[in-house]
Amino acid sequence: GAVVSQHPSWVICKSGTSVKIECRSLDFQATTMFWYRQFPKQSLMLMATSNEGSKATYEQGVEKDKFLINHASLTLSTLTVTSAHPEDSSFYICSARDTGANYGYTFGSGTRLTVV
Amino acid sequence: AQKITQTQPGMFVQEKEAVTLDCTYDTSDQSYGLFWYKQPSSGEMIFLIYQGSYDEQNATEGRYSLNFQKARKSANLVISASQLGDSAMYFCAMREGYNAGNMLTFGGGTRLMVKP
Repeated sequence: GAVVSQHPSWVICKSGTSVKIECRSLDFQATTMFWYRQFPKQSLMLMATSNEGSKATYEQGVEKDKFLINHASLTLSTLTVTSAHPEDSSFYICSARDTGANYGYTFGSGTRLTVV
Repeated sequence: AQKITQTQPGMFVQEKEAVTLDCTYDTSDQSYGLFWYKQPSSGEMIFLIYQGSYDEQNATEGRYSLNFQKARKSANLVISASQLGDSAMYFCAMREGYNAGNMLTFGGGTRLMVKP
C-alpha cells in the first residue's frame, strides 16, 4: 500500500539550531503535502500545505520564516524548523495527498521534536 | 465555531464490549468526507473508516462502523467487541468539498481505554 516515510522519528536539538524533517512518498507521487503539529494531549493542527514546485501556504499564526517548507519534487517534502526554541517542541506529522489510497490521505509516522 | 467536535475527552470500555465515540461536525458544503483515525502512543495515524456525505449506507470496516446521521451532523464511531489493543486516541476528521486533496480538519480527540 501507499507509504509515506518520515524521518527522523525523533530528534533532540539545542535551542537556536535548525532541524529538518523529511517526508518521502515511496510508491506514489505526492503533489500535495500537509504538515501538522500536535502538542501533547491535543489535536492535530494544520501548519501549512505544500504543492510540488510552488510556495507553501501557511495557516494563520504559523511563521513561514521559522517553519520553512520545501516541496521540490513529487516524492519529497521537507519541513525545517529554524532557530528552534523549547516552545517548538512538539510532534510534527505530514500527510500526503494520495488519490489511490485511504480516501486521499497517507500519513507519515511523525517526528517528535524536543528542543533543549 | 468548531468544525469538528468530540465531546468525550476520555472513555472506558470493558474488553469485548461495544463502545461509541461521538463526533459532530459543522459545514455548509454539500459534499464532504468524514474520517476516523486511531493514534496509538507511538503517534502514527491509522486510518479506520470513511463516510462520504452522499453515501446512503453507513460505512463499516470489520469491527468499526460509522453511525452517520446527516441531518444531525453526527458521525459516531462504533467499535464492537473491544480489544485491549484498541486503547488509543481516536480522532474524527472532515474534508470539506469534493476535492480529495483538500485539507483535513480534526476534532479534539477521545482517549479510549479498554479494561481487561
